[in-house]
Amino acid sequence: AQSVSQHNHHVILSEAASLELGCNYSYGGTVNLFWYVQYPGQHLQLLLKYFSGDPLVKGIKGFEAEFIKSKFSFNLRKPSVQWSDTAEYFCAVRSSASKIIFGSGTRLSIRP
Amino acid sequence: DAGVIQSPRHEVTEMGQEVTLRCKPISGHNSLFWYRQTMMRGLELLIYFNNNVPIDDSGMPEDRFSAKMPNASFSTLKIQPSEPRDSAVYFCASTQRGVAEANVLTFGAGSRLTVL
Repeated sequence: AQSVSQHNHHVILSEAASLELGCNYSYGGTVNLFWYVQYPGQHLQLLLKYFSGDPLVKGIKGFEAEFIKSKFSFNLRKPSVQWSDTAEYFCAVRSSASKIIFGSGTRLSIRP
Repeated sequence: DAGVIQSPRHEVTEMGQEVTLRCKPISGHNSLFWYRQTMMRGLELLIYFNNNVPIDDSGMPEDRFSAKMPNASFSTLKIQPSEPRDSAVYFCASTQRGVAEANVLTFGAGSRLTVL
């Protein structure tokens, strides 16, 4: 069965620190991978996506993620976080059956 | 486009009452998803439709939950009877299959349900 695991439930960082949020999925076929972000009081919105090609994808606001097929991982990174990055981050996987499953989310808190 | 529109934004009801949540997807989108968000379980997929047809409802918690999509511009999620453990934010999202960006979901603002 298709599933997504996000290892960190709550991450607290100081401004300018580097960020890496883990995401692992289980599905044997071709997948499309996503990171969505939910800022306080707002809709979920797309941060970045991987469909094919270069496994290192860049998204909005300086975020990037790397697809490592052998590890079934799609970790999210940002070299230097800002207070405005405070939000909840969701990893998602789409299988060939068009089903889009989300991880449980990681809450990111940034200390000013 | 006004985006994905959900109603009501907030609903407070008593245990045992029927709850109906509504969603209008983006015009032209032909896939629609219902998700439930709670602190404990995160974002769970309840059901999704392609071209108004339910494809996978394995995430629907139990028979008290039902969803319909009578046409391309409207879907409902119904809970009857409601229970306190149904309290959550329910999100609707849509996308357009068959194009390059088909897998990118556009979410509505959510319906926050509180069952007392």
